[in-house]
Amino acid sequence: GQQLNQSPQSMFIQEGEDVSMNCTSSSIFNTWLWYKQEPGEGPVLLIALYKAGELTSNGRLTAQFGITRKDSFLNISASIPSDVGIYFCAGQLAYNTDKLIFGTGTRLQVFP
Amino acid sequence: DAGVIQSPRHEVTEMGQEVTLRCKPISGHNSLFWYRQTMMRGLELLIYFNNNVPIDDSGMPEDRFSAKMPNASFSTLKIQPSEPRDSAVYFCASSSSYEQYFGPGTRLTVT
Repeated sequence: GQQLNQSPQSMFIQEGEDVSMNCTSSSIFNTWLWYKQEPGEGPVLLIALYKAGELTSNGRLTAQFGITRKDSFLNISASIPSDVGIYFCAGQLAYNTDKLIFGTGTRLQVFP
Repeated sequence: DAGVIQSPRHEVTEMGQEVTLRCKPISGHNSLFWYRQTMMRGLELLIYFNNNVPIDDSGMPEDRFSAKMPNASFSTLKIQPSEPRDSAVYFCASSSSYEQYFGPGTRLTVT
């Protein structure tokens, strides 16, 4: 089936550093979403992107919908310990379905 | 605002028993999704409903799994009989557009 390649798989950084992760696919997506999952909880929606080239911020988070519609990135600036978790990208392939394809996740660990 | 509600949060059962997981979507959302998450396979879509009608059940592992949505505010995922390989976290999510909102999950352990 369709897959989203998400990288890196894991990151170990120090508090205050900036973080960047991305998702790529061989298919064109119409929507990109970024989620964060903390231990014992469900994924929480962080940012939604709807147009190619769109750049959207949510606090210290910034995400972009790639111009080719085949990729997206998420940046976290000035990381803090509560940024720890697994970050998932998700994409919607076609306008006539609500189905999302999820990436494999990026596990982020922040050290004080 | 109440988010997606799932029950139970944890379920431990013996192999061969029937398991029923429950979900109440966000009011006003017309799509509901059941996912399974494991370390090995990540987040997998099992089935989704739109306006209470099953649209895509291609992710349902086998006949032991069944899902229903009798009305807009309730859905169940049933496993009968359960097997140890069904152990996972099961999430329900709902949406009114392309933005899906997840519940806290049910952690199922089959011994």
